[in-house]
Amino acid sequence: AQTVTQSQPEMSVQEAETVTLSCTYDTSESDYYLFWYKQPPSRQMILVIRQEAYKQQNATENRFSVNFQKAAKSFSLKISDSQLGDAAMYFCAYRSPQGGSEKLVFGKGTKLTVNP
Amino acid sequence: EPEVTQTPSHQVTQMGQEVILRCVPISNHLYFYWYRQILGQKVEFLVSFYNNEISEKSEIFDDQFSVERPDGSNFTLKIRSTKLEDSAMYFCASNLGGLGDSPLHFGNGTRLTVT
Repeated sequence: AQTVTQSQPEMSVQEAETVTLSCTYDTSESDYYLFWYKQPPSRQMILVIRQEAYKQQNATENRFSVNFQKAAKSFSLKISDSQLGDAAMYFCAYRSPQGGSEKLVFGKGTKLTVNP
Repeated sequence: EPEVTQTPSHQVTQMGQEVILRCVPISNHLYFYWYRQILGQKVEFLVSFYNNEISEKSEIFDDQFSVERPDGSNFTLKIRSTKLEDSAMYFCASNLGGLGDSPLHFGNGTRLTVT
């Protein structure tokens, strides 16, 4: 079974600075999908960024980018120019290519604090 | 932008009671899901539902749980006889389906407290 590990329970960053959240995963599959979800105090889970394992290019969405290291099974999230609204829990998630439904395996999350 | 809506936001029930959590997925979505998050723990997949039947379920989703789409808009999760360990945030989600290229849209969750 696949597992996702987020080794940083909490992180903090100064506003306008850059922070990197770590995620590693374990799988025997060669093709899969990886995601970062954000959960602000409103509780709603919001997709931040996704990466297909067969793509070598790292995904980027505005201030959010990933460092996908397939051989190392590492999928870190970099947030540039951090804003107060970035404060939230961040969850890394894995999706197998098997099946048609979005059965995600989540990590335990990293709580990000943004200091003004 | 359309949203997944969940009601109620907080439900308190006594152990052994039945509880129904309600969700209205996004109208053109085809796949519906329930996930749960025990306080301080990771978000866990419970079940996915497609074409009026369960397409996948986890080990957590035992005979105490059931899902239903009673009409064209609602999607419900029923816990038949609640236990203390069922206390958690329950998230409903939906998407168009497909091979990872249709992101999940989550609701705000229902916090279930079993006393």
